[in-house]
Amino acid sequence: ETGVTQSPTHLIKTRGQQVTLRCSSQSGHNTVSWYQQALGQGPQFIFQYYREEENGRGNFPPRFSGLQFPNYSSELNVNALELDDSALYLCASSLPSGEKLFFGSGTQLSVL
Amino acid sequence: DQQVKQNSPSLSVQEGRISILNCDYTNSMFDYFLWYKKYPAEGPTFLISISSIKDKNEDGRFTVFLNKSAKHLSLHIVPSQPGDSAVYFCAASRGNQFYFGTGTSLTVIP
Repeated sequence: ETGVTQSPTHLIKTRGQQVTLRCSSQSGHNTVSWYQQALGQGPQFIFQYYREEENGRGNFPPRFSGLQFPNYSSELNVNALELDDSALYLCASSLPSGEKLFFGSGTQLSVL
Repeated sequence: DQQVKQNSPSLSVQEGRISILNCDYTNSMFDYFLWYKKYPAEGPTFLISISSIKDKNEDGRFTVFLNKSAKHLSLHIVPSQPGDSAVYFCAASRGNQFYFGTGTSLTVIP
């Protein structure tokens, strides 16, 4: 059984650029959620995907968007990067019952 | 608006003693509560959970207590071991959204 994998592990971008982060869910999990963890904070919910549709969204602007593919893998896209977007981005997969999240190791994004 | 709060950023405990990590929440509609453990350069790992209909759940050295009237959650680790040193996040869920606290860094001193 493979766990949640994320790529890349680290990324450096400049303000105004666009970024795509990738996630493969744990085997058997069809629900993927994305979280942003800023320094010294807990993870903040960005959105969730289930059956390739967005299934809930946190308090993040539309320049944060996502996709889920038929194999349940997912992408997080962020347009017009801002300095405050610098954070650890965590992907988590779960079963539809959603009682537990299983996290990947994250992508550390630095915006300069 | 922080719906889940961990007011102690750090905690140091001697090996073999009890570690008590605390968490408060504001939303009475939360139906599930969880604790996650995080090591540097890794994602959070699920540790233990409790449904809102229970007040205690045990798993080996880890016990979670839920006090709904006080909107308070605690994690007890006994006995504490050096390998328990990590950041612990409290989380609460309602539907498909999970809300996390800011974490407590636990150091277990050998």
